[in-house]
Amino acid sequence: NAGVMQNPRHLVRRRGQEARLRCSPMKGHSHVYWYRQLPEEGLKFMVYLQKENIIDESGMPKERFSAEFPKEGPSILRIQQVVRGDSAAYFCASSTAGTGSYNEQFFGPGTRLTVL
Amino acid sequence: KNQVEQSPQSLIILERKNCTLQCNYTVSPFSNLRWYKQDTGRGPVSLTIMTFSENTKSNGRYTATLDADTKQSSLHITASQLSDSASYICVVSFSSGGSYIPTFGRGTSLIVHP
Repeated sequence: NAGVMQNPRHLVRRRGQEARLRCSPMKGHSHVYWYRQLPEEGLKFMVYLQKENIIDESGMPKERFSAEFPKEGPSILRIQQVVRGDSAAYFCASSTAGTGSYNEQFFGPGTRLTVL
Repeated sequence: KNQVEQSPQSLIILERKNCTLQCNYTVSPFSNLRWYKQDTGRGPVSLTIMTFSENTKSNGRYTATLDADTKQSSLHITASQLSDSASYICVVSFSSGGSYIPTFGRGTSLIVHP
């Protein structure tokens, strides 16, 4: 059973370009979470999605950032018109059910975005 | 504001020695507390989870404690190994609108030397 997969592992973009980060959850998992880790910082929650629905996006910047988890295919985190401050590691996690107390989230290896 | 503070920021110990990492939090309302291990270049992996009523939880050489009254937790590593070199992250979840949102500490960077 493959773990959470993220691609690409490394992404370089110039300012103003778009970045698309993909996350394939573990088999049987229907809940996906995106986190951002800035250098020297802890992970910060961005958004929680279930198939075709955004459950909680309280940690997502209001502009330029969007996320989706379609019925088929991976979850996508999209960053439009990237700026240097978007450079970070973006982690995806998945779980079998919602964010209940014992529902463990399994993390992917992360995508490291560098904005030149 | 919900916060999770970890100490020390970094720690260097010799192989086979024990160490204890600390976590203080102000998250409310508290749901659960997890300790994660994050190897360089990888995603975090859960070590232990504790809810409000649990004081201690062990996973092999890792033992976590929780004092919900003082809002403190510790992670004790026994007989350290070189492979324990990693970042250890304390994560406290709070309930919000039916969801449980995790708040991550910055982690303690542990280096185990031979």
